[in-house]
Formats: sequence, structure tokens, C-alpha cells
Amino acid sequence: GAVVSQHPSRVICKSGTSVKIECRSLDFQATTMFWYRQFPKQSLMLMATSNEGSKATYEQGVEKDKFLINHASLTLSTLTVTSAHPEDSSFYICSARYWTNEKLFFGSGTQLSVL
Amino acid sequence: RKEVEQDPGPFNVPEGATVAFNCTYSNSASQSFFWYRQDCRKEPKLLMSVYSSGNEDGRFTAQLNRASQYISLLIRDSKLSDSATYLCVVNGWNNNDMRFGAGTRLTVKP
Repeated sequence: GAVVSQHPSRVICKSGTSVKIECRSLDFQATTMFWYRQFPKQSLMLMATSNEGSKATYEQGVEKDKFLINHASLTLSTLTVTSAHPEDSSFYICSARYWTNEKLFFGSGTQLSVL
Repeated sequence: RKEVEQDPGPFNVPEGATVAFNCTYSNSASQSFFWYRQDCRKEPKLLMSVYSSGNEDGRFTAQLNRASQYISLLIRDSKLSDSATYLCVVNGWNNNDMRFGAGTRLTVKP
């Protein structure tokens, strides 16, 4: 099956620093990638939808200047958490899809801990 | 009303039991439906797609009711390894994004 690689798997950083998370589709071209956040014992929350070559669409309540998304190619999307704070500590997961209505393939997630 | 709604559970069942989950969705134009399972602190993994005619994969049966806007997942002969959170996923409102239910937690006990 399709593989989506996400890294790093774990990041510990100081408050105020920026963290970049990469999401790559390894064996298919992902027209759309999604970014989610999941707090402990809570459900996945969609943060933004990213289409290659265009600006990401952010969900209500998600600050686009804080969570920068770049989808520069059909195989790579990045999420940068700028000026991270402890409340940004969470599990971030990406997913990718080849075409509309197709199933999603997920990255393995990134656990971000901001001290 | 939430876009995709699931009973959060938890469902605690003995091994061998049959358990069913429902998921309702609000957008009648939705075209694609999926069940994923997520283990603690892991990424969701596709369990099965849900087709209009209903589909079965071993002990798992998925059904779609468009008139009532819900999908269901039936697990027969539950195994300990079935313990996980089951996520209902429906394609989104502009046919581009995907919406997740909050998940239903299942624990299968010996």
C-alpha cells in the first residue's frame, strides 16, 4: 500500500522556537495533504488542507501565521509551528490522498513537546 | 449538529462478542465513507471503505444508509487485538477535505 513518511517522530523544544515537520508521500503523488492535531484522549482535529501549488485552507480557529504550511511539490508538505509555546504540545499527524474520494494514508505522527 | 458524530463509548465487551458502532454525518452530498482504527499514540490505519451495497471483510461488516445518513461497523467474534479507537471518516463539504468522527473506544476483555 501507499506509504506516507512523517518526521521527526518526536521533537522537544524550548518555548519560542520554531519546529518544522515534514510529510512525504513515498510512492504516489499526493494532490492533497491534510494536517491534524490530537491532544491526549481526544479525537483528531483537522487543522488545514493543503493542495500542491496553492495556499492551504485552514480550519476555523487555527492561526495560519502560527502554523505555516507549504505544499511545494506533489510529494512533500511541511508544517512549521512558529514560536512554539507549551500549549502547542500535541501529536501532529499528516495524511495524503491521491485523488478526491480516495482513502487517506497517514504519516506516523510527530509528538511535539514544548518546554 | 456535528458534521460527523459517533458514540464515544467506551464499549467494553468480552472476547467473542459481537459489537456494532454507528456514525452519522450531516452532509447528504458526501460520497466517500471509511472506517479507520487508531491505537493509542499511533496513526489511524484504514480498516475498510464503506460501499453503498455494504461490504464485508472477515469479521468486519460495514454498511451505509444514505437515507438516514449513517454508516455502521459490525465486528463479530471480537478478539483482544480489536481493542482500539474506531474512527468514522466522511469526505468533506467541498469534496476536498475529510471529516473525522471523534472515535469510538472499544476494549475487548478476556
